[in-house]
Amino acid sequence: KQEVTQIPAALSVPEGENLVLNCSFTDSAIYNLQWFRQDPGKGLTSLLLIQSSQREQTSGRLNASLDKSSGRSTLYIAASQPGDSATYLCAVPSGGSYIPTFGRGTSLIVHP
Amino acid sequence: GAVVSQHPSWVICKSGTSVKIECRSLDFQATTMFWYRQFPKQSLMLMATSNEGSKATYEQGVEKDKFLINHASLTLSTLTVTSAHPEDSSFYICSATDNLAASGRLGEQFFGPGTRLTVL
Repeated sequence: KQEVTQIPAALSVPEGENLVLNCSFTDSAIYNLQWFRQDPGKGLTSLLLIQSSQREQTSGRLNASLDKSSGRSTLYIAASQPGDSATYLCAVPSGGSYIPTFGRGTSLIVHP
Repeated sequence: GAVVSQHPSWVICKSGTSVKIECRSLDFQATTMFWYRQFPKQSLMLMATSNEGSKATYEQGVEKDKFLINHASLTLSTLTVTSAHPEDSSFYICSATDNLAASGRLGEQFFGPGTRLTVL
């Protein structure tokens, strides 16, 4: 069974900092890995999808890397802004399926 | 990107009543939809996997008779909470995958905005 851990659980930083959010998983036989953000009381917004054959994906100020062999993914947020404040979730399927297991998330606050 | 809607966005009901939540994929066909439950400040808990035209697969510990799931078409899945009680109060979220997506997007999950259920 896939287990997903996200570190740190919470992060509070001043605006402008570059951030690193970590996700680790136990079963490396995965098809993909997906990063989401969730605003309070809202659904999930997909940020980046990395297929198992890829090592990284970029979208604007976001960059996600994937190291299957070590069971790790990292989400980089460059030049953080107050609008980036949200909970960031990492979702990783169990081996052989597309059904994701979610980490508990990193709660990010970026203050002006 | 693909859009998934949920209706209603919030509902308040009396204990003992049944509540139906709809999940729709608006611009793609979703052979598979997923239903999650989320408690405050916790992550998502998968309740069931719903495949069009077949019975849902429920996760361990989820009562099939209490949480009825129907996936009658490629764009609609419904979750009915039967005889709701206060402990069923939660945030329910659905997601869908586009099984006809290009290979680089296979397995990508698209989430609805969620439904807040409060049972009095």
